[in-house]
Amino acid sequence: KAGVTQTPRYLIKTRGQQVTLSCSPISGHRSVSWYQQTPGQGLQFLFEYFSETQRNKGNFPGRFSGRQFSNSRSEMNVSTLELGDSALYLCASSQRDSTNEKLFFGSGTQLSVL
Amino acid sequence: AQKITQTQPGMFVQEKEAVTLDCTYDTSDQSYGLFWYKQPSSGEMIFLIYQGSYDEQNATEGRYSLNFQKARKSANLVISASQLGDSAMYFCAMRGLDSNYQLIWGAGTKLIIKP
Repeated sequence: KAGVTQTPRYLIKTRGQQVTLSCSPISGHRSVSWYQQTPGQGLQFLFEYFSETQRNKGNFPGRFSGRQFSNSRSEMNVSTLELGDSALYLCASSQRDSTNEKLFFGSGTQLSVL
Repeated sequence: AQKITQTQPGMFVQEKEAVTLDCTYDTSDQSYGLFWYKQPSSGEMIFLIYQGSYDEQNATEGRYSLNFQKARKSANLVISASQLGDSAMYFCAMRGLDSNYQLIWGAGTKLIIKP
């Protein structure tokens, strides 16, 4: 069974540009969540999608958005990039939401904003 | 609100020794899950072990065990017979109804295994 796939692995953008990151979950998993990881703030929850619906959203500005397609693949978009958006963006998938459901993570997309 | 505290920013351990990574948590939920993940330099988060709040026995997964002390709100990870490949960041995390099932993360502990 293939794991969670994130593309691209690395991205370099300049301030003001926009970027789209992609995540393909494990087959059969309907929940996809996104996390931002920075040295200063650690791991922070961005949002979660389940069956194409956003179910949870973290405390991020509206420049961060996402969507999920009918095949459970998810994309995350950041518009008007700022230097502080430089981070590792991790995608995770699971079958459902529950306290004992473990999340499977992809290798992440390392975004650098210059 | 839920919170995870990992008080050890970094640790050096001799190869083949056992190591304990500390994790304390705070939540008002009665039902919650505690997780440990390993993040090597490659960046991927690797699931290690899970403990449910109602589990009476400590969880074990190979060389990993979780020392769960519910009254003290503590969920320490124990790695027996450490190996060089165990060098990585280790994160404690929790999810429950209080956080809408999103994972709440600790700051992590950087573990370095010395040969």
